[in-house]
Amino acid sequence: KQEVTQIPAALSVPEGENLVLNCSFTDSAIYNLQWFRQDPGKGLTSLLLIQSSQREQTSGRLNASLDKSSGRSTLYIAASQPGDSATYLCAVRVRRGSARQLTFGSGTQLTVLP
Amino acid sequence: SQTIHQWPATLVQPVGSPLSLECTVEGTSNPNLYWYRQAAGRGLQLLFYSVGIGQISSEVPQNLSASRPQDRQFILSSKKLLLSDSGFYLCAWSPGLAGATGELFFGEGSRLTVL
Repeated sequence: KQEVTQIPAALSVPEGENLVLNCSFTDSAIYNLQWFRQDPGKGLTSLLLIQSSQREQTSGRLNASLDKSSGRSTLYIAASQPGDSATYLCAVRVRRGSARQLTFGSGTQLTVLP
Repeated sequence: SQTIHQWPATLVQPVGSPLSLECTVEGTSNPNLYWYRQAAGRGLQLLFYSVGIGQISSEVPQNLSASRPQDRQFILSSKKLLLSDSGFYLCAWSPGLAGATGELFFGEGSRLTVL
């Protein structure tokens, strides 16, 4: 059974810092990994999707990496801003086309202090 | 572009009352559709998913049910709500075509409080 862990559960940093959020998974035979952002009381917003054949994806100040062999992904946020404050979740899809195999981590709650 | 709409945004219902949450997707055809529940302090739990009209798969035994009467419409229902049904319900979709990336897109969620 795939298990996804995100550490730390909460993180507080001053504005302007570069930071890394971690996601680890137990089954390395993944199809893809997706990072989401969730603001309080809102739905999830897709940030980056990394296919199993890719090593990283970039969008603006965000960079996500994937190391299947070690079962790890990181989300790098450059020059953090207060608007980045949210909960960040990663989700792993183990087998193509199977919704049952999408497993979410419990998230990292990020607070960027002005 | 594709959009997903979910309503109502907030709902307060007494125990034993019925429930209907609705979700529609625009700008795509034959999407895979999903209902998730997010309880306070817990992760996302997949409740139902559908790969086509009338095709519903249930992941967790419960007093909830789902239906897909049209290609881009997904409904979550209950005949009699329980206190434990309280939570944040999220509808999501992903491209249903072969070769699609599998990226998942969520609606804004529906907050259900059962009293």
